[in-house]
Amino acid sequence: NAGVMQNPRHLVRRRGQEARLRCSPMKGHSHVYWYRQLPEEGLKFMVYLQKENIIDESGMPKERFSAEFPKEGPSILRIQQVVRGDSAAYFCASSRPLEIGTGELFFGEGSRLTVL
Amino acid sequence: SQQGEEDPQALSIQEGENATMNCSYKTSINNLQWYRQNSGRGLVHLILIRSNEREKHSGRLRVTLDTSKKSSSLLITASRAADTASYFCARDDKIIFGKGTRLHILP
Repeated sequence: NAGVMQNPRHLVRRRGQEARLRCSPMKGHSHVYWYRQLPEEGLKFMVYLQKENIIDESGMPKERFSAEFPKEGPSILRIQQVVRGDSAAYFCASSRPLEIGTGELFFGEGSRLTVL
Repeated sequence: SQQGEEDPQALSIQEGENATMNCSYKTSINNLQWYRQNSGRGLVHLILIRSNEREKHSGRLRVTLDTSKKSSSLLITASRAADTASYFCARDDKIIFGKGTRLHILP
């Protein structure tokens, strides 16, 4: 049973380009979370999605950032017109629905974005 | 802020000693979880304690929860070099994490 898969593991972009980060949740998990982590910092919550729905995007910057979790395929975090400050590790986690599960999150190994 | 806040921010102890780290939160919870992150890796779930529980054990881990003080503690007994990592607490609803405690076990 594969864990949470994130790709790419490393991504380099120049300022102004777009970055797309993908996350495939664990089998049977319908909830996906995205977090951003700067070096030596904690995880900052960005967005919480279910299939085809954004449940909570209170941590998402108002501009340039978007996330989706389509009916088929992985969840995607999209950053348009990247700036140097977007350089960070982006972690995805998945869980079963909280009301029937323990709420335990299973994390991917992260995607490290470097903006030149 | 709705984040859990861990303290201390950093902790260095000798191998074999016990390590205690704390977490405080601001609003009511249904459960609180502790996670570990090895450098450059994703987080790994360690233990979950529900709001109606006061203490829980898992191997060398002991977690306590005091809902009146809105705080939790994680105790790692007989620490090992492999315990060197960052430790985070997280609330149940938004699964918000604090900045973590960076634990370093000295040989």
